[in-house]
This record gives sequence, C-alpha cells and structure tokens, in this order.
Amino acid sequence: QVQLQESGPGLVKPSQTLSLTCTVSGGSISSGAYYWSWIRQHTGKGLEWIGYIHYSGSTYYNPSLKSRVSISLDTPNNQFSLTLSSVTAADTAVYYCASEGVAGSAFDIWGQGTMVTVSS
Amino acid sequence: AIQLTQSPSSLSASVGDRVTITCRASRGISSALAWYQQKPGKAPKLLIYDASTLESGVPSRFSGSGSGTDFTLTISTLQSEDFATYYCQQFNSYPWTFGQGTKVELK
Repeated sequence: QVQLQESGPGLVKPSQTLSLTCTVSGGSISSGAYYWSWIRQHTGKGLEWIGYIHYSGSTYYNPSLKSRVSISLDTPNNQFSLTLSSVTAADTAVYYCASEGVAGSAFDIWGQGTMVTVSS
Repeated sequence: AIQLTQSPSSLSASVGDRVTITCRASRGISSALAWYQQKPGKAPKLLIYDASTLESGVPSRFSGSGSGTDFTLTISTLQSEDFATYYCQQFNSYPWTFGQGTKVELK
C-alpha cells in the first residue's frame, strides 16, 4: 500500500521560497502508474490543487500559481518536491501531497499534510 | 477553470437521517467527479470516484449519482462517524478544482 509523507520547514519568511518534499513508501515513484500532486488548504477554507508531475517528466501547474511553482522528482530517493517562490502571507496553508491514478479519476492516496506559515 | 458549487454549505442532521449534498459544475464534466470526506486535522479521504463508483472500503451507505453538470452525494443512514466536511472535485479539465465544501453537523 502506497503511503505519502510531507516534510519541510513550517515557517517561511515573506518573499522567500517555500520548499516541501513528499516521500513515497510502499511503491515506486518511477512506476508510471500515478500522477504526483500537491494540494493546499488555507485555514478553515477549501482545497486548491497546485499541480502534478508524472514519472515521464510531464507537469501541469494551476494557472493561478504557475509563475511561482515548480514540482520535481527525486527518483533515487522516491520523493517529489514542491517549490513556491516569492511567498506572501496568502501562501500560509496546510500543504498535502497526493497521488492520482493515471486513469485520472481521483486522488486516492494523501499525505497527512504539513502546515506552512509565512511570517517574518 | 470549471467552478464547482456545493449546496448546502452546511447542514444539521441527526444520526439515522438521510443526507443529500449537491455539486453543480459551471459546465459539463461528464462523470469525472469525485467526493471526499474530511475530518478536522486530517487529510481528505476518497469516498466516490467517476461520480458513482464507491472506493474500496467505503461503507455502502455512501452513494453518488449524476453526470454532466449536476451531481449528488447521499448518505442513506447517517452515522456518528459521518459528521465531517464533504468536498466534490472535478477531473474533466485542468486545472482540477474542488467545491467549497459542505459541513455536516450534529443537530
């Protein structure tokens, strides 16, 4: 059973870059069977899909964040990562990594989430 | 981007009640819709995909229906563990988007 675990700093200063990593266990990130996504949730609010990466290297980013987002793979360590540049307080949220089968029907596996606060 | 509008935003119900939540898409999305349950401090949990297919391990009291622009999540007999917030999400066209959520509270 595939499991996901987010890690990274819980506090980032305004204008700096947020960097998070998702470690995949119980399966290979290189299998090609999944799209690996990042999703965030502002406190008390709904869910916002940030983007995905596939083992093939293909990516798609939400246009609302596209200019500041990058998602990459670290296949030797079975991880994928999110970087979000020029952060502001509006980027304070819980960040989740999640997987979606290539059939494209749902996010069936989620990490537990990690809270990131943007503050000086 | 496709907008998903859930109604109601919140509802109060009792154990044993039948609960229905609707999700309306701003344009047709075929059956490319999923439903999730989220409890406080936890990640969302997949309940239903392809509008009506129950995820493995999810109790049969949950069901989904609809296609095109109008979708429904039904809990046939509400249990105490079902008090949570429910989200719909579309997989028809990028960017993937979620509804704003429906909070099911104890009456």
